[in-house]
This record gives sequence, C-alpha cells and structure tokens, in this order.
Amino acid sequence: DGGITQSPKYLFRKEGQNVTLSCEQNLNHDAMYWYRQDPGQGLRLIYYSQIVNDFQKGDIAEGYSVSREKKESFPLTVTSAQKNPTAFYLCASSTGPTNNEQFFGPGTRLTVL
Amino acid sequence: GENVEQHPSTLSVQEGDSAVIKCTYSDSASNYFPWYKQELGKRPQLIIDIRSNVGEKKDQRIAVTLNKTAKHFSLHITETQPEDSAVYFCAASKNAGGTSYGKLTFGQGTILTVHP
Repeated sequence: DGGITQSPKYLFRKEGQNVTLSCEQNLNHDAMYWYRQDPGQGLRLIYYSQIVNDFQKGDIAEGYSVSREKKESFPLTVTSAQKNPTAFYLCASSTGPTNNEQFFGPGTRLTVL
Repeated sequence: GENVEQHPSTLSVQEGDSAVIKCTYSDSASNYFPWYKQELGKRPQLIIDIRSNVGEKKDQRIAVTLNKTAKHFSLHITETQPEDSAVYFCAASKNAGGTSYGKLTFGQGTILTVHP
C-alpha cells in the first residue's frame, strides 16, 4: 500500500469553506490525477498533471483547483464554488503517458455539514 | 471525448461459477484497457489490463478479451470465490499525444457478489 498517500482519511467541512486534500507519492511518477467517486458511480476525473508546474482540467473541474509545485505532491482544493462536494476523493499517479497504469492512494472521504 | 459503458451494474453468482462483465467504448483511438477491483472503502487496484495489439490476456482465474472492431472488452473470472466480491471498474485510454496524458475514462462499475 505504500508509495502514494492521501490525508486526511476523513474530512468534514462547513458550507462556504475551502478545504485542501493532500496527495503525496514517492514513486518518482511524472503524472498525477484526482478523481471523484460518488456512490454507485465510476471515477470521474477532476484534474491531472503530467509534469511539475503543469496541470489540465478533467471532466468535472468546476469548483476545484490544484497545484503541482513539486513532483511528489499534487494537492486538491475544494472551493466553496463546488455545489455538491460530499464524495470520496482518490488521487492516483503513473509513470507517464507511455505507461498508463495508474496507482491509487487510499482516498479521502469529504463530508460537507 | 471517450465514453465507457459497463454492464451489468450488479452481478450475483454462486461460488465456483464464472462471472463476465462487459464494457463498450466510443473512441476508436483508445488502446489501453485496464480493469480495477475496489473493495468496500478501499482504493481501486489494477487486476489485469490489455493493450490493443492483443485480443486476449489471462492471469490465473482472470482473463480479458478485446474486440477492437466492435469496440468492446470483457472481464472473465472463473471459479469465483467469496473474496472476489467487490466492485469492478473497466477503463479506457489512449497513449498521450497532445494533451491526452494517458487519461483514463472509467465505466460505472459492477458490484459482484459471490455467494458461498
């Protein structure tokens, strides 16, 4: 299970607050991804990054922001603009575009109170 | 963009039976098709994958088949065991060229229950 970690495991937020989810990997992977998982649904891509200081919007980027200042870290901020943020958030990494296998972190369950 | 449809959404089998989960994809340029297993409250884990240059791949009790012409691929689990019970996701992507960066598009998932 080592290699890619997320914190915290559980997070509670009041409406109107921004919150940042942490994702760290020590696999020396170039690419990192953020997914959102809702009950009974598949994983939907929020943001992804291939290299440091570069990232791209995924399918559901509205209300989220990211940064990639270090290769090992790809934090996700859930802003107050996200209308329905309660979900399970998964971070993943891969060696790069020529090898698509993605390794997932343990996830953060965010609940908005 | 890519769209992946997965069926069935739930599948219940008896221990020892086979289970088959099917996915279709829309982008003919997709060339990588992984399958992930996710146990309750845990992270998805890759169980098998296939690339478009082969039609079938096996790993012990698990196999995946790919039909590029029809744009569908399937997961086959033989001799199912209770520990196979989980949610299974298929996905599709294409090698990065431009900005695709190996993006995975996931199916909606199949809840597999294996009854002892």
